[in-house]
Amino acid sequence: VRLLESGGGLAQPGESLRLSCAASGFSFSAYAKSWVRQAPGKGLEWVATISGRGGSVYYAESVKGRFSISGDRNTVYLQTGSLKTDDTAVYFCAKGNSWEPFDAFDVWGQGTVVTVSS
Amino acid sequence: QSVLTQPPSASGTPGQRVTISCSGGRANIGSNFVYWYQKFPGTAPKLLIYRRNQRPSGVPDRFSGSKSGTSASLAISGLRSEDEADYYCATWDDSLSVWLFGGGTKLTVL
Repeated sequence: VRLLESGGGLAQPGESLRLSCAASGFSFSAYAKSWVRQAPGKGLEWVATISGRGGSVYYAESVKGRFSISGDRNTVYLQTGSLKTDDTAVYFCAKGNSWEPFDAFDVWGQGTVVTVSS
Repeated sequence: QSVLTQPPSASGTPGQRVTISCSGGRANIGSNFVYWYQKFPGTAPKLLIYRRNQRPSGVPDRFSGSKSGTSASLAISGLRSEDEADYYCATWDDSLSVWLFGGGTKLTVL
């Protein structure tokens, strides 16, 4: 059971990046999927969640209107837009313990680094 | 500043029992399970405690969680040097429909 993120990199303020997280060893579609980030020297910050049934989506206030989470059978995506320097962080994807959006994050990817700088 | 409040640091000597607190409100800790995560620098977070004090496979029973009202605690007994890490509490907030993380507690094993 593994998650592997990709798509991170360097972006200028106002630009966009699309992060991907591919699951292996299980079917991602039945579970809630989330993104959590950690800025340099800071704690964990939840970013977004998509439920495993119906695809309900939830966002942190800090990214609402700028980021969009989506998913297919084995991958979850985070489309980031209007990036700010405050979005600089390691972005982790995480699998929910069930389809419900409020269940524990039981499997995590290793993270992908997003750096926003001019 | 996080909605869930954790002490920024905690410490103990090998073999000791330490507890880390997490304080919130009625709509979050008061209404939902509290989850605990362990994180080492440069690695992914690891789930330690979920639902009612359940541990994923491989997590030692030295780790336990509890909740009372709008506060929760993580207890680590028989402290070991490899427990030195950052610990985070997390829960869902019913009124905001968001996940909340505590600010994290850095545990030092003296």
